[in-house]
Amino acid sequence: NAGVTQTPKFRVLKTGQSMTLLCAQDMNHEYMYWYRQDPGMGLRLIHYSVGEGTTAKGEVPDGYNVSRLKKQNFLLGLESAAPSQTSVYFCASKERRGIIGEKLFFGSGTQLSVL
Amino acid sequence: RKEVEQDPGPFNVPEGATVAFNCTYSNSASQSFFWYRQDCRKEPKLLMSVYSSGNEDGRFTAQLNRASQYISLLIRDSKLSDSATYLCVVWMDSSYKLIFGSGTRLLVRP
Repeated sequence: NAGVTQTPKFRVLKTGQSMTLLCAQDMNHEYMYWYRQDPGMGLRLIHYSVGEGTTAKGEVPDGYNVSRLKKQNFLLGLESAAPSQTSVYFCASKERRGIIGEKLFFGSGTQLSVL
Repeated sequence: RKEVEQDPGPFNVPEGATVAFNCTYSNSASQSFFWYRQDCRKEPKLLMSVYSSGNEDGRFTAQLNRASQYISLLIRDSKLSDSATYLCVVWMDSSYKLIFGSGTRLLVRP
């Protein structure tokens, strides 16, 4: 039982390049989230999904796209990376309505640098 | 106005001290509240949920004031290992979203 796994852990891109971050969870969670964290800004929600095949925008969705084709995977795409997207990205998942409340299970993060 | 606001700190306290953090939220429809702890460059981890009646877990006590729309976290007998950033988190069933505050940094010195 691995929990939430993010890949890659580190990546350096040039401006204009594209990439996809993968988040996989093996807990059969309905809800999945992508956050970015910048110094002094806390975690800001990029996109989220409340079930397979559904996605929705969070606070800072511009420049990102997501897909949830399978329940266990939530992909975050950058079509044309910009330096402003340099950040640490966290994926998280939670039960639809958990016995343990609304606890989020986090991946270990992806450090992305865009030059 | 941010949905969830926290004093960024840092709070610099000696070992053994008692320290308290507050967090305010703007949406009165917010339904659940939590404190997460985050160590440098690591993923956040749930510290405790915050219940309407207040709750305690060892040295940690959380309180909720719905009328004034704030929650608090009290840490007694601070340890060096308590040094971290503490994130206030709010959940609303209607939006399926967990909204994070920007965090309060705590430094506990010997």
